[in-house]
Amino acid sequence: DAGVIQSPRHEVTEMGQEVTLRCKPISGHDYLFWYRQTMMRGLELLIYFNNNVPIDDSGMPEDRFSAKMPNASFSTLKIQPSEPRDSAVYFCASSSGTPGEAFFGQGTRLTVV
Amino acid sequence: AQSVTQPDIHITVSEGASLELRCNYSYGATPYLFWYVQSPGQGLQLLLKYFSGDTLVQGIKGFEAEFKRSQSSFNLRKPSVHWSDAAEYFCAVVLNYGGSQGNLIFGKGTKLSVKP
Repeated sequence: DAGVIQSPRHEVTEMGQEVTLRCKPISGHDYLFWYRQTMMRGLELLIYFNNNVPIDDSGMPEDRFSAKMPNASFSTLKIQPSEPRDSAVYFCASSSGTPGEAFFGQGTRLTVV
Repeated sequence: AQSVTQPDIHITVSEGASLELRCNYSYGATPYLFWYVQSPGQGLQLLLKYFSGDTLVQGIKGFEAEFKRSQSSFNLRKPSVHWSDAAEYFCAVVLNYGGSQGNLIFGKGTKLSVKP
């Protein structure tokens, strides 16, 4: 398996634009997580899915953020409109359900100018 | 306040020297405990985990960690550091209260530099 695949690896966008981050989890994993990493706040869980259903989105910072998982092999995290404070590295991770054992993608570095 | 604390932001060790990275947690009950490593430009990789039982756990890449309940600590160790160990290391917990499990909560990380 190629692991968790995220795209794009880097994204530079202007404030106010819509940004979509994509994630393909490891086949057979039924949990998918979106994390955000910043210098100030470290790693924060934004949302996670179980069997394609959002279970906990309490970490989503505001309504500008939305996430979907239309099927077991694909998820998106969308920011609309984007703001400079959204600049961060966004990680997707998947898990087979063993607590804490998550496999991370390489991340998407988002820069909003 | 409930937290995962890694008191050292940055540590530099010489290649071949021993390493200990500190982690303390502050929760009402013992959580599940983990160490992850993040190489530059990469995602996080699980090094080792502790759920219960033997308090000294072995992980990948020659790392080990010891759980000490009395100190609420889960320190990561390696007897001899290699240049390829230069990375950022994250301690993390999963809360397990009454059969309901939470998600990974990460410390702020310790960046390890290795001198030749």
